[in-house]
Amino acid sequence: EVQVVESGGGLVKPGGSLRLSCEFPGFTFTDAWMTWVRQAPGKGLEWVGRIKTEMEGGTTTYAAPVKGRFTISRDDSKNILSLEMNNLKTEDTAVYYCTTRDQPTDWGQGSLVTVSS
Amino acid sequence: QTVVTQEPSLTVSPGGTVTLTCASSTGAVTSGYYPNWFQQKPGQVPTSLIYSTTNKRSWTPARFSGSLLGGKAALTLSGVQPDDEAEYYCLLYFVGDQIWVFGGGTKLTVL
Repeated sequence: EVQVVESGGGLVKPGGSLRLSCEFPGFTFTDAWMTWVRQAPGKGLEWVGRIKTEMEGGTTTYAAPVKGRFTISRDDSKNILSLEMNNLKTEDTAVYYCTTRDQPTDWGQGSLVTVSS
Repeated sequence: QTVVTQEPSLTVSPGGTVTLTCASSTGAVTSGYYPNWFQQKPGQVPTSLIYSTTNKRSWTPARFSGSLLGGKAALTLSGVQPDDEAEYYCLLYFVGDQIWVFGGGTKLTVL
């Protein structure tokens, strides 16, 4: 089982910014594409975006609702995956999950992000 | 906008068999959509069951199987157990936009 250590999350006002991070100790991080998924309260899962390996340029792809506002990055020296969220909207309120691989395999416990004035 | 559609809810008796489906608004689902299936129980983190249409994770019970059926991705549960009561989500890959899209989920009741 892949261990995931999450940090970040919390309450932020509309228009604000927040950064989420996930550390994957013991996982072969360098070779894996990584994915973010979110789930609004009482709603279904929503794919947020993913990042390829550094070897492949660390190319990112995003879902339309977050494109231009969210940035996924990775630090292979520390096995850390991050999600930088800017210009947050109330509809971004959700639990955010970091997952391993392009076809999500191992999931973190989730970080709650609440966007409210 | 690409939409992935699942049955909102299904009910099955213990020991029975049930098939959940996953359709794409763009047309027939093929292996090129790399269908994935996830199980989520209330208050828990989703768990991956199936990837790339038919492949099971090491932890996926044998009673779960994935396939393509009538232009849709399908998840079949055989010999359903009460513990299988959960929400099930499919996930499809759209190669043109290089994005993944989740279905709305199927709430499976074992009754």
